[in-house]
Order: sequence, then C-alpha cells, then structure tokens
Amino acid sequence: NAGVTQTPKFRVLKTGQSMTLLCAQDMNHEYMYWYRQDPGMGLRLIHYSVGEGTTAKGEVPDGYNVSRLKKQNFLLGLESAAPSQTSVYFCASEAQDYEQYFGPGTRLTVT
Amino acid sequence: GQQVMQIPQYQHVQEGEDFTTYCNSSTTLSNIQWYKQRPGGHPVFLIQLVKSGEVKKQKRLTFQFGEAKKNSSLHITATQTTDVGTYFCAGGNTPLVFGKGTRLSVIA
Repeated sequence: NAGVTQTPKFRVLKTGQSMTLLCAQDMNHEYMYWYRQDPGMGLRLIHYSVGEGTTAKGEVPDGYNVSRLKKQNFLLGLESAAPSQTSVYFCASEAQDYEQYFGPGTRLTVT
Repeated sequence: GQQVMQIPQYQHVQEGEDFTTYCNSSTTLSNIQWYKQRPGGHPVFLIQLVKSGEVKKQKRLTFQFGEAKKNSSLHITATQTTDVGTYFCAGGNTPLVFGKGTRLSVIA
C-alpha cells in the first residue's frame, strides 16, 4: 500500500498561473481533505470531500477549487495563483475510526 | 465555529526533562486526536481519545481527555532528541478542527 501520495512534491509558479495538485489514496477511504500549512498557523482546512462526487468548503476555500471524480483521487486547483498561496499543501484521507492519513505534502511557491 | 486552542506554541527543553502540551476547546468534543509532525515531514496520527477522563499511554507519552471532554493533554516523560517536532491536537466531528500545534525542541 502506498497510502496517500501527492503530486508534485515541489512547484514554483508565477502570479496568475494555474495548476492542479493531485492527491491519491489506495485505502478505499470515503473522506478526503486538503489543508495548507503556514508558519505559526497550524493546519487550515481548504476543502474536503465525504465521498465520490461531493465537495465542501473548509476554513480557507477562496482561490481554490476541488474535484472528486474518483473515490481514490482528490484534486486541488489554483486558477490564478497569488503570492498569498505560497504554502505547504497536505492532502489527507480519513479511515472509518476518524484517523487521518496525510500525504508527504507539496511545497508551492508563487512569485 | 468550533475552536481548538493549544498551548504553549513553543517549548524548548533539555534532554531528559518532561514536556506537556495542552489543548482546550470552546465546545464539548466527541473525540480528541493527537498527531506528531517531524521537521520537514507530514503529520502522523498518534492516538485518539473518546471517553470522558480517558488516559492512554504509549511508552513515554501519556494522553488525557478531560472529564468535561473540553480539554486534553499530552505529556512526554524524559524527552529524547527523537521527540523533536510539532504536536497537534484535533477534535470534533467531520471536519476535524486542528489546534495550531506546539513545537518541541530538545537540547541534547
């Protein structure tokens, strides 16, 4: 089992560019999450999904969109990147006992 | 909305000293989870507590859930350099609400 994987691991974008972050899990979990982590701010929830075809907004959803077309994949999109979106992005999936499994993260820099 | 506050934000200890981080919620929690994130790594699940007054131990780590299910603590006895990292509590129902974490550094 690979657990939770994230692609890419690193990315540098210019302001206004777009990109998609891919999260994949092989544990057949229904619930998946996207967080961003900034120094001193802990983990802030961007969007989450409670099953294939569903998405919901978290604490900081502005500037991001998500899709969950397949149960194992959860995509996070930035349509027009801004420097304020420079962060480390973590994806997580949740088991039935509520334990969350995190991916290794994507370090994104927007210049 | 529900908030989970965690203190202290930072803690520096000498190797061998004890360490405690505290988590407080504005509302009653159905459960509390603890995660550890090593520097440069990702959060890793440590434990979940669900019962009022529950105490669980993992080697040198002791986790407590308050009687009112509004607070929790993580205590590490005789810290080691391998304990370095940020410890997060998280509580509630979907979606979980994470505290901002306590960053522990251990001086050898």
